[in-house]
Amino acid sequence: NAGVTQTPKFQVLKTGQSMTLQCAQDMNHEYMSWYRQDPGMGLRLIHYSVGAGITDQGEVPNGYNVSRSTTEDFPLRLLSAAPSQTSVYFCASSYYGKIYNEQFFGPGTRLTVL
Amino acid sequence: AQKVTQAQTEISVVEKEDVTLDCVYETRDTTYYLFWYKQPPSGELVFLIRRNSFDEQNEISGRYSWNFQKSTSSFNFTITASQVVDSAVYFCALSDDNAGNMLTFGGGTRLMVKP
Repeated sequence: NAGVTQTPKFQVLKTGQSMTLQCAQDMNHEYMSWYRQDPGMGLRLIHYSVGAGITDQGEVPNGYNVSRSTTEDFPLRLLSAAPSQTSVYFCASSYYGKIYNEQFFGPGTRLTVL
Repeated sequence: AQKVTQAQTEISVVEKEDVTLDCVYETRDTTYYLFWYKQPPSGELVFLIRRNSFDEQNEISGRYSWNFQKSTSSFNFTITASQVVDSAVYFCALSDDNAGNMLTFGGGTRLMVKP
């Protein structure tokens, strides 16, 4: 049982490049989400999904795309990276339907955009 | 709208001192959950506690204790006899009925425990 996995752990991009941050979970969780962590601002929700085929925007969705074709995977795409997207990205998953379900976080991806 | 405020951005203490991390929240819902997470220097997020809005009992777990006061919308975290291994960033978070599983995080408090 690997929990929530994220790849890569570190990434450096140039402005304008595109890339996909991978997130996978093996707990059969319906709910998956992406957060970004910036100094002094805590974690902010980018996008989330309540099941395969269903996604929605969070607090800071601009510049990011997501899709959910399977229960297990929830990739985050940066179509044209900008320096403002330099951050640490966390993927999380949980059961859905009751707000007290513990969210399991992945180890994070540290992204630098030059 | 939900909001979580951690006014202390950094706290520095000497080992064995007690330290309290403050968390103040805002929500219009009567049903909500409050959380504390620890982020050690290695970077992962470690879940510490979850408390629902209908349970105002304080909780103690070893050297950790939490004080939930609805009257002041606060959910403070105290570490007794701090240790160097407690050095980390601590986040308070909120999830309410309108938010479903979404968490609103505070800005975090960096705790440095010096030997």
